[in-house]
Amino acid sequence: SQKIEQNSEALNIQEGKTATLTCNYTNYSPAYLQWYRQDPGRGPVFLLLIRENEKEKRKERLKVTFDTTLKQSLFHITASQPADSATYLCALHTADRGSTLGRLYFGRGTQLTVWP
Amino acid sequence: NAGVTQTPKFRILKIGQSMTLQCAQDMNHNYMYWYRQDPGMGLKLIYYSVGAGITDKGEVPNGYNVSRSTTEDFPLRLELAAPSQTSVYFCASTGWAAPIYFGPGTRLTVT
Repeated sequence: SQKIEQNSEALNIQEGKTATLTCNYTNYSPAYLQWYRQDPGRGPVFLLLIRENEKEKRKERLKVTFDTTLKQSLFHITASQPADSATYLCALHTADRGSTLGRLYFGRGTQLTVWP
Repeated sequence: NAGVTQTPKFRILKIGQSMTLQCAQDMNHNYMYWYRQDPGMGLKLIYYSVGAGITDKGEVPNGYNVSRSTTEDFPLRLELAAPSQTSVYFCASTGWAAPIYFGPGTRLTVT
């Protein structure tokens, strides 16, 4: 079955620094990969989507890269702020035909804390 | 546009009871999902559907059932509730290559 690993359960960085979160996957080929933010007691909220044929995507202070050879996505938050503190999840939607088409898998998440 | 709605928000069940968690979306999405999230853990896929009349098991389907008679609705049925089913349940929907929209969640306690 698909396995998604997000390196580091927790990441603590100082305000103003760049936070880099990693998402590695195995087995199935994702059609696209997404990153989400989850605050305590809330459902995940969409941040960025990157397709398998895209190398990089940016949105304001956020940047996502996608390396299908390494089976890895990196998520960067530049000029981090205490308000960025949350759990960040990566998710992938399988593209393989058969019974798993359409499955949506989430990583366990990385808890980011940005301290002043 | 209400997005994804879930009811109830909270529920306490006794062991052996049954209940249905309701989920509806008004975005005409084909894909719908049920996840559970235990404290401090990630989202585990219970069941999913790629369209009306089509459902399939996810990673942790035991003890649950689903149906998808319409595009809008995707209820999750718990039969014979067990303490291990204490969790927060999220329903979600999406189109292809589109953001996933989550409902507010249902906090279920089985005692």
